[in-house]
Amino acid sequence: ELKVEQNPLFLSMQEGKNYTIYCNYSTTSDRLYWYRQDPGKSLESLFVLLSNGAVKQEGRLMASLDTKARLSTLHITAAVHDLSATYFCAVDKDFYGGATNKLIFGTGTLLAVQP
Amino acid sequence: DVKVTQSSRYLVKRTGEKVFLECVQDMDHENMFWYRQDPGLGLRLIYFSYDVKMKEKGDIPEGYSVSREKKERFSLILESASTNQTSMYLCASSPGLAGGISYNEQFFGPGTRLTVL
Repeated sequence: ELKVEQNPLFLSMQEGKNYTIYCNYSTTSDRLYWYRQDPGKSLESLFVLLSNGAVKQEGRLMASLDTKARLSTLHITAAVHDLSATYFCAVDKDFYGGATNKLIFGTGTLLAVQP
Repeated sequence: DVKVTQSSRYLVKRTGEKVFLECVQDMDHENMFWYRQDPGLGLRLIYFSYDVKMKEKGDIPEGYSVSREKKERFSLILESASTNQTSMYLCASSPGLAGGISYNEQFFGPGTRLTVL
């Protein structure tokens, strides 16, 4: 069974600090997605990573993908309060086995940035 | 920009009522999805559709049905609403792999928070 695990599940950090959220998955996939969800809102696409070694950056967030380790990281640099949200990673289910078009989502990481 | 809209942001229904949740996307996407999201349980796939009139069960289809008569519209139906179906319902769409698209990025609607009393 394909599993996507994120850690930590909850992260409280101070403004100005750096931290990393980890996303491990159990299938051979080179397509990984990061989403952000604000409280009470829907999911917003942040990054699409499409190959081993892919790195994408937007503002204080940087995502990378290591398909050999089946690991993606979301690095937060000099956190600000506006980054407080829940972050989800997701992986294509069986992309090369027939492209079911479905994504498997991680459990989410709730990030709280304290002033 | 892709736009996915859902018919209601908030909905309150009574136990036993038939409930329709509507989702419309404007980007000619092949795939559409219905999820529910509950605290501590993450996103769970209810149903998805990869073409008009085509559907496939997700992880938790019991108590739900779907309809896709037109490509842009995907409806979720609660045949007889129950209190355990109180949840946030999220609709999403993705382009599909036809036409050279090689990934499955999904785009989400704003969500419908359904309360069943």
